[in-house]
Amino acid sequence: NAGVTQTPKFRILKIGQSMTLQCTQDMNHNYMYWYRQDPGMGLKLIYYSVGAGITDKGEVPNGYNVSRSTTEDFPLRLELAAPSQTSVYFCASSYGVEGGDGYTFGSGTRLTVV
Amino acid sequence: GESVGLHLPTLSVQEGDNSIINCAYSNSASDYFIWYKQESGKGPQFIIDIRSNMDKRQGQRVTVLLNKTVKHLSLQIAATQPGDSAVYFCAENPYSSNTGKLIFGQGTTLQVKP
Repeated sequence: NAGVTQTPKFRILKIGQSMTLQCTQDMNHNYMYWYRQDPGMGLKLIYYSVGAGITDKGEVPNGYNVSRSTTEDFPLRLELAAPSQTSVYFCASSYGVEGGDGYTFGSGTRLTVV
Repeated sequence: GESVGLHLPTLSVQEGDNSIINCAYSNSASDYFIWYKQESGKGPQFIIDIRSNMDKRQGQRVTVLLNKTVKHLSLQIAATQPGDSAVYFCAENPYSSNTGKLIFGQGTTLQVKP
C-alpha cells in the first residue's frame, strides 16, 4: 500500500496563478481531508469529503475548491493564488469518523506564492 | 471559537528523562482526543488516542492523561530518546457523529539533548 500520495511536493506560484494539488489514497477510505499548516501553527481544515460525490467546507475554505469524483482522489484547486496561501498542505484519509490510528496523512505539498 | 491549544511552544529535555507535553481544549463536547508526532518534512503520525470516558491510556513509552474537569490533556514520554525530537500536536474530535473533522492545537516542539 502506498497510503496517501500527494503531488507535487514543492511548488512556487506567482500571484494570480492557479494550480491543483493532487491527493490519492489506495486504502479505500471514504473520508478524505485537506489541511493547511502555516509556520509554527497547527493544521487547519480546508475541505473534507465523506464519500465520492460529497464535499463540504472546513474552517478555512476561501480561495480553494475541491472535487471527489472517485473514492481514491481528492484534488484541491487553488484559483487566483495569493501570498496568504503560502503554506504546507496535507491531505489525509480515514476509514472512520474518529481519527486516531485510522487517520493517514500524506507527506505534504509545500506551496509558496510570490 | 473553539480551539485546541498547547501551553508551551518548545520543550527541551535531556536524553533519558521523561517528557510531559500539555494541551488545553475548549470544547466540552469533544469526546475523542489524539496525539500526533510530526517530524521535519513529514505529515503527522498517530501516537496515541483517548476517549472522554477514560482518564488515562498507556502505549509503548507513552501515556496520555485526560482531565475533563479542567479540559486538559497531556502526553508523557518515558525515557525520551533523540528519535522523539519532533513537533507534537494534540487534536480533538468535537464532531464525532459523522465527519471525522479534527481540530489541532498549535504544537509543541520537543528537543532532546544528548
